[in-house]
Amino acid sequence: GQQLNQSPQSMFIQEGEDVSMNCTSSSIFNTWLWYKQDPGEGPVLLIALYKAGELTSNGRLTAQFGTTRKDSFLNISASIPSDVGIYFCAGLDPGTASKLTFGTGTRLQVTL
Amino acid sequence: GAVVSQHPSWVICKSGTSVKIECRSLDFQATTMFWYRQFPKQSLMLMATSNEGSKATYEQGVEKDKFLINHASLTLSTLTVTSAHPEDSSFYICSAPDRRKTDTQYFGPGTRLTVL
Repeated sequence: GQQLNQSPQSMFIQEGEDVSMNCTSSSIFNTWLWYKQDPGEGPVLLIALYKAGELTSNGRLTAQFGTTRKDSFLNISASIPSDVGIYFCAGLDPGTASKLTFGTGTRLQVTL
Repeated sequence: GAVVSQHPSWVICKSGTSVKIECRSLDFQATTMFWYRQFPKQSLMLMATSNEGSKATYEQGVEKDKFLINHASLTLSTLTVTSAHPEDSSFYICSAPDRRKTDTQYFGPGTRLTVL
């Protein structure tokens, strides 16, 4: 099936640094979701975006819904060791009743 | 947030046997649930959409007769992997949108299936 492209694919950063990742699609979405997945667990919803241009924060996390509706960005400020994991973006297909298309994932490693 | 559970969390079975995985929404009702599989270091790939009271909808390339889905109630969907083979070993994850807010989905903790 279709996948969204995320970049970077992986990143190693030091504790305290800020992190930016993005997600792009060839088609538009009406809703963008960002998830974090820890090893051996299911994804956990971080932020949901419902409108083009929307900027939403959840603690140290900030996400934006791109104005073209074909991309989204996630920023993590002042990273901490527990931020380690895989971050997935997901787009909600318009007109398909909650069917999600997932990104390829960004693996984040945080060093002390 | 809403809670979705899966059972079992892991299972090991012999080749040729069938395995049933349950997905439950604990504090909300879901007329639709989704089943994904995830191979190591890869993203989630949608397998099928489970619909309460009607047949499941399968994604292209997913064998209907091999992956049987039953959505018995507004809080329970089951995935049965029939005649499992080693290549079916994977991490199976379900998700459910809250019926009151269908644009947000909640995922179960996943089931690790290992077929020997």
